Amino acid sequence: EIVLTQSPGTLSLSPGERATLSCRASQTVTVNYVAWYQQKSGQAPRLLIHGASSRATGISDRFSGSGSGTDFTLTISRLEPEDFAVYYCQQYGDSPITFGQGTRLEIK
Amino acid sequence: QITLKESGPTLVKPTQTLTLTCTFSGFSLSESGVGVGWVRQPPGKALEWLGLIYWNDDKRHSPSVHTRLTITKDSSKNQVVLTLTNVDPADTATYYCAHSGDWFSNHFDYWGPGTLVTVSS
Repeated sequence: EIVLTQSPGTLSLSPGERATLSCRASQTVTVNYVAWYQQKSGQAPRLLIHGASSRATGISDRFSGSGSGTDFTLTISRLEPEDFAVYYCQQYGDSPITFGQGTRLEIK
Repeated sequence: QITLKESGPTLVKPTQTLTLTCTFSGFSLSESGVGVGWVRQPPGKALEWLGLIYWNDDKRHSPSVHTRLTITKDSSKNQVVLTLTNVDPADTATYYCAHSGDWFSNHFDYWGPGTLVTVSS
């Protein structure tokens, strides 16, 4: 199975700053089938990005995804207070589907 | 508008069978390409994919629960049922069902609110 390693584990930034979250796969992800989700405490995950770089419906253009092969990145251009949450990457190019362990984005 | 909601017991004893129902609206599980997946999250931990069932009754299971997991659908009732046998305290988690709109692209664009299941004697 493909293991996804997210870094850093915790990222401390201030509103208005730029956030860069990394997701590295243990092997090439087929067709760059990587998604990113945001999860706030007590809530279900929310899809942000699919296909490595396609924004989901209704997602702000402050969120962007990039990468290919084994290295993928989620960038949040200007942090808003509501962006502080936990972020997960997911690969669905190969079975079993796997998730990373998450990056916690906290207010500095 | 697509919505999903999980229902079932909140407490299950070790060795028993857990049965959860996902009731959805806004889409049909008879429509080509559509799937419903199950994902769980132990308290304070990461998301774990369990399985998926597709419109054509094709199924995918995670190896970690493969021998204990069954997923079925009733398209006429707009429901998907997860059955997990011989549960253990390690199965304590919030269980989510989620919609996948493309057989080839299994990202989850709509999620239920989740239901917390505790396995304890």
